[in-house]
Amino acid sequence: SAVISQKPSRDICQRGTSLTIQCQVDSQVTMMFWYRQQPGQSLTLIATANQGSEATYESGFVIDKFPISRPNLTFSTLTVSNMSPEDSSIYLCSVVDPADPTTGYEQYFGPGTRLTVT
Amino acid sequence: AQKITQTQPGMFVQEKEAVTLDCTYDTSDQSYGLFWYKQPSSGEMIFLIYQGSYDEQNATEGRYSLNFQKARKSANLVISASQLGDSAMYFCAMREGTGANSKLTFGKGITLSVRP
Repeated sequence: SAVISQKPSRDICQRGTSLTIQCQVDSQVTMMFWYRQQPGQSLTLIATANQGSEATYESGFVIDKFPISRPNLTFSTLTVSNMSPEDSSIYLCSVVDPADPTTGYEQYFGPGTRLTVT
Repeated sequence: AQKITQTQPGMFVQEKEAVTLDCTYDTSDQSYGLFWYKQPSSGEMIFLIYQGSYDEQNATEGRYSLNFQKARKSANLVISASQLGDSAMYFCAMREGTGANSKLTFGKGITLSVRP
């Protein structure tokens, strides 16, 4: 299984500022996913990031608020822009690796970034 | 309609006993996959078990087994011989269709507390 690391692990930010979260994978993967988990809630997909193309955003999420970079097959960043307290969540990076259909394309998650916006 | 339904608000189990966590799903696809994840208080998402829609046998992984009842569209997780470390939030998820780019949809989760 892929090993995923995220930086920072947690942060406390002031409203109106931006935070960039980094996701590093120990192997090359085609697709990377960014999820948000608001307090006490389930996971919601923000966007899918493929190397060499624009990220695909889910309904309710826009590029201006959550710009994503995917410069290579092992790395991605998610920026949370112009933050408000409602952005306080755990942000998780995820990959499907290896792309093995016999395992149902098992999806693995990074340790998450706990963001608190004051 | 919700694609994944987890209605148990919270579950308690005595250490060393077995516990079943319920999950029902809704899809019109013939090909889909069902997953269970564990999320301890640290926040990480730990993959536990996978069941494919065409798999005839229930999936098992150590102390975890998936009770797959296709006609009823249920995919319950059974944890045998519960341990204190099993206390966590458990999420059921589904991937519809084929392909690694198919989205994973999560249920709301169930909190499991293991009592010593």
